Amino acid sequence: EAGVAQSPRYKIIEKRQSVAFWCNPISGHATLYWYQQILGQGPKLLIQFQNNGVVDDSQLPKDRFSAERLKGVDSTLKIQPAKLEDSAVYLCASTQVRLNTGELFFGEGSRLTVL
Amino acid sequence: TQLLEQSPQFLSIQEGENLTVYCNSSSVFSSLQWYRQEPGEGPVLLVTVVTGGEVKKLKRLTFQFGDARKDSSLHITAAQPGDTGLYLCAGAQGAQKLVFGQGTRLTINP
Repeated sequence: EAGVAQSPRYKIIEKRQSVAFWCNPISGHATLYWYQQILGQGPKLLIQFQNNGVVDDSQLPKDRFSAERLKGVDSTLKIQPAKLEDSAVYLCASTQVRLNTGELFFGEGSRLTVL
Repeated sequence: TQLLEQSPQFLSIQEGENLTVYCNSSSVFSSLQWYRQEPGEGPVLLVTVVTGGEVKKLKRLTFQFGDARKDSSLHITAAQPGDTGLYLCAGAQGAQKLVFGQGTRLTINP
């Protein structure tokens, strides 16, 4: 079974530029998450999708971050314009079953460096 | 304010020693998960504990969920260099939301 796929693995941009990250979850997984992990910290939830609907985006900085999950499968996370503090690893995860008994499957992450 | 506090944040010990990592909160969780993350990779699930007081063992790792479902611990017996990594606890709030602690970076020296 293929895992969660993310791209690109690495991206370096200058502040005020834009960047987009792509995620393909495990086939059949209805719930998809984007987490931000700053170096030395635990993952912080940015947005959660159930199929193609947003369940929770309370911690997404909506003035610069946007995300979509067209057709309830792939998802894209965009940052525009980027700030220095956006330097982090962006992790995509998916799950099939109810989370309190199930496992969250993570991709390898996309590492963003903002100069 | 961190919802889940892990301690210690950093731990470096010699091979063969025992260690315990703690995960504490003032909130009640429906379940608690422990993940391990290696450099350049995403976190991988080690265990899920659901019932207050529950104890689960995974080879040399022992996980316990507090009676009140607010805290958890991870104990490693006879640590090995392969145990090196970032250990993350994560509490489930409701059916679908998972909140992570800041992690414990563990280094086992040969």
